[in-house]
Amino acid sequence: EPEVTQTPSHQVTQMGQEVILRCVPISNHLYFYWYRQILGQKVEFLVSFYNNEISEKSEIFDDRFSVERPDGSNFTLKIRSTKLEDSAMYFCASREGSGGQPQHFGDGTRLSIL
Amino acid sequence: AQSVTQLDSQVPVFEEAPVELRCNYSSSVSVYLFWYVQYPNQGLQLLLKYLSGSTLVESINGFEAEFNKSQTSFHLRKPSVHISDTAEYFCAVSPTSGTYKYIFGTGTRLKVLA
Repeated sequence: EPEVTQTPSHQVTQMGQEVILRCVPISNHLYFYWYRQILGQKVEFLVSFYNNEISEKSEIFDDRFSVERPDGSNFTLKIRSTKLEDSAMYFCASREGSGGQPQHFGDGTRLSIL
Repeated sequence: AQSVTQLDSQVPVFEEAPVELRCNYSSSVSVYLFWYVQYPNQGLQLLLKYLSGSTLVESINGFEAEFNKSQTSFHLRKPSVHISDTAEYFCAVSPTSGTYKYIFGTGTRLKVLA
């Protein structure tokens, strides 16, 4: 069964540095998402991406965050000037089409900011 | 706006006993409802979904959930649990239009005891 893959599984970065989290969604999917889960808290929506542009973003997704789908297969989340509070598990998800089709999630990248 | 409440953060239950994991939601618009399961060090896996039609939905591994519109609930049940069901369970809602982003509950950690 096709799956969403995320790399790396764990990323350690110094505060203030830039980090790129990578995701390969399922190949025929059209809608892409990033979520994050701070340890002990709920999974929170960050951003949705469709037709090569952001369709919705949350308040968490400030100017330091950006997403890109550079080559039709990868879907990346970049965080500039990282802060301690960016430490979390980041999940990528994709969905085939509109309506009630469920999102498929990757195993996540644990981001630790030191 | 939508919100999801999972009142039980942890549920211990003995093997072969029944279990119910509660989920209540609030929304000013129509929503789809989902249950996801997360095993240790893995991503979120779809367990079951309610889109429309019959209010009782079932998964292939014996779980079921019932949509109750009047009580705005979508509780998850299993008549007889196994050790392998030990995991974290997340309830989520998604608006039926727009970006279909998920709003998650805080999760319920199910621990099945031998």
